[in-house]
Amino acid sequence: KAGVTQTPRYLIKTRGQQVTLSCSPISGHRSVSWYQQTPGQGLQFLFEYFSETQRNKGNFPGRFSGRQFSNSRSEMNVSTLELGDSALYLCASSLAGQGSGLNTEAFFGQGTRLTVV
Amino acid sequence: AQKITQTQPGMFVQEKEAVTLDCTYDTSDPSYGLFWYKQPSSGEMIFLIYQGSYDQQNATEGRYSLNFQKARKSANLVISASQLGDSAMYFCAMRAHSNDMRFGAGTRLTVKP
Repeated sequence: KAGVTQTPRYLIKTRGQQVTLSCSPISGHRSVSWYQQTPGQGLQFLFEYFSETQRNKGNFPGRFSGRQFSNSRSEMNVSTLELGDSALYLCASSLAGQGSGLNTEAFFGQGTRLTVV
Repeated sequence: AQKITQTQPGMFVQEKEAVTLDCTYDTSDPSYGLFWYKQPSSGEMIFLIYQGSYDQQNATEGRYSLNFQKARKSANLVISASQLGDSAMYFCAMRAHSNDMRFGAGTRLTVKP
């Protein structure tokens, strides 16, 4: 079974530009979550999608948005990039909400490292 | 709202000794799950251990055990017989009714030979 796939692995963008990151979950997983990881801040929760609907949202500005497609693949978009958006963006998929209970493990992709210059 | 706190930015341990990584949490949900993940320098997130809020016994997985004190809202990870390969970032996380998983800031563990 293939794991969670994130593309691209690395990105360099200029301030003011916008960027789209992609995440393909494990087959059968309908929940996809996005996290921003910066040194000292841990994993900051961005949002979670389930069956094409945003189910939960973290405390990030509206420049951060996402969507999920009918095949559960998800994209996140950051508009008007700022230097502070430089981070590792991690995507995780799980069976959460599919009757599996709270002990459902989240499976992570390798992440996309975004550098804003 | 859920909140996870890891107060140790960095920890050192001698090889073959045990180490405890602290995690406290806050939630108003009576039902929740607690997780620990390891992130080596390569960046991947590796699931280590899980504890449910209603579990009567502390979870154990090989050299990993979870010291769960529900009244204190703490879920500390204990690694026994530390190995050099245990050097990594360790994250505590919680999943409650909202189904999304929230993480702490992490602890960087360094195992010294």
